Amino acid sequence: EAQVTQNPRYLITVTGKKLTVTCSQNMNHEYMSWYRQDPGLGLRQIYYSMNVEVTDKGDVPEGYKVSRKEKRNFPLILESPSPNQTSLYFCASSFGSTGTMAPLHFGNGTRLTVT
Amino acid sequence: AQSVTQLGSHVSVSEGALVLLRCNYSSSVPPYLFWYVQYPNQGLQLLLKYTSAATLVKGINGFEAEFKKSETSFHLTKPSAHMSDAAEYFCAVTTSGTYKYIFGTGTRLKVLA
Repeated sequence: EAQVTQNPRYLITVTGKKLTVTCSQNMNHEYMSWYRQDPGLGLRQIYYSMNVEVTDKGDVPEGYKVSRKEKRNFPLILESPSPNQTSLYFCASSFGSTGTMAPLHFGNGTRLTVT
Repeated sequence: AQSVTQLGSHVSVSEGALVLLRCNYSSSVPPYLFWYVQYPNQGLQLLLKYTSAATLVKGINGFEAEFKKSETSFHLTKPSAHMSDAAEYFCAVTTSGTYKYIFGTGTRLKVLA
């Protein structure tokens, strides 16, 4: 089954404790991206990757890191989480390396709480 | 730069009534427009997309949207609402080569029995 898999689904942590949210897709998609969803703000793009070893900032990259060492994986790293990073996070992927006409395929989300 | 505005964060309709969810966009170049639906505790799923072909786009579950350049709109409609349509709906815009998606703030649809 074609899918985007995020882990964990729920995560509660404390301020400053480094964490990684994993994302993996089995569709051989070139494009992958991370979003955070907050009430009243919709989805905002954190980082995206056009292909292996090629990443760029979205609209809200502060406090986050990403890496794309393999085509299928695109982990999101919070090196020193803060309470304002409490949010619902989505990973998404799509086919195509030359533009974004292709629709996004989303994971089921990771609900992060930072206390 | 692109932007998307969804009018109405909450919309309620009776079962069997017309569904109309509004989306207006801003883009200095031809846009690609999408509607996604999010059911509780799930990720977003594509409903339909406009990529410069036909201006009237048909999607899944009986939804359709019309691209109107003069009004910079891409409103989502469904002739007859069903209880299973209750969800949150997001409009999104992107353009060729930018690799950035801009999402609206979402509209939560409630269907009344």
